Amino acid sequence: EIVLTQSPGTLSLSPGERATLSCRASQSLSSTYLAWYQHKPGQAPRLLIYGASRRATGIPDRFSGSGSGTDFTLTISRMEPDDFAVYYCQHHGSSPPYTFGQGTKLEIK
Amino acid sequence: QVQLVESGGGVVQPGRSLRLSCAVSGFTLNNYGMHWVRQAPDRGLEWVALIWYDGSNKWYTESVKGRFTISRDNSKNTLFLEMNSLRAEDTAVYHCARLVAARVPGTINYYYNMDVWGKGTTVTVSS
Repeated sequence: EIVLTQSPGTLSLSPGERATLSCRASQSLSSTYLAWYQHKPGQAPRLLIYGASRRATGIPDRFSGSGSGTDFTLTISRMEPDDFAVYYCQHHGSSPPYTFGQGTKLEIK
Repeated sequence: QVQLVESGGGVVQPGRSLRLSCAVSGFTLNNYGMHWVRQAPDRGLEWVALIWYDGSNKWYTESVKGRFTISRDNSKNTLFLEMNSLRAEDTAVYHCARLVAARVPGTINYYYNMDVWGKGTTVTVSS
């Protein structure tokens, strides 16, 4: 089973700064099945990126995804106050199980 | 407006059972597969189970196999998670999420995403 390791665990940034989040897989995986989610306490998680680089409906273009093989990145070009949250990468194969990374928390500096 | 609302959580003793519900609105449930995903205290998201749009296929994470059962009543637009033999490690917020499939352009493959989620219902297993 593929293990996803996210780094850093916590990232402290100021509004307007750029955020770069990493997701490393224990073995090479298809980018088709790599997604990123945003989760705020007490709220429903939100799909941001699927297929490693495709923005979900309604997601602002300051969010972008990239990567292939074992290394994937979520970039937020300019942090806005609403972007401070926990971010998860997620993978699945052509069938379950689905695997999440342990998450990266973006906090206000 | 597409919406998922979970219910049925509570405090339960180890070894007992609980049934969670997820009421959906704004879309036709029988067109979509559905997931349950949980988040234990101070932990990340963990996928729990998936049921196909018509209930014909079900998958579970290893730790709940034989104890949890995912089901659905499309006529009532409701998803269920029957949880038996509960353990302390099942303590979590349980979210339901919609599975959406979209063709990968130029291929025979599909993206399978969790595109809409509920806010969750809290399950606490404690004596």
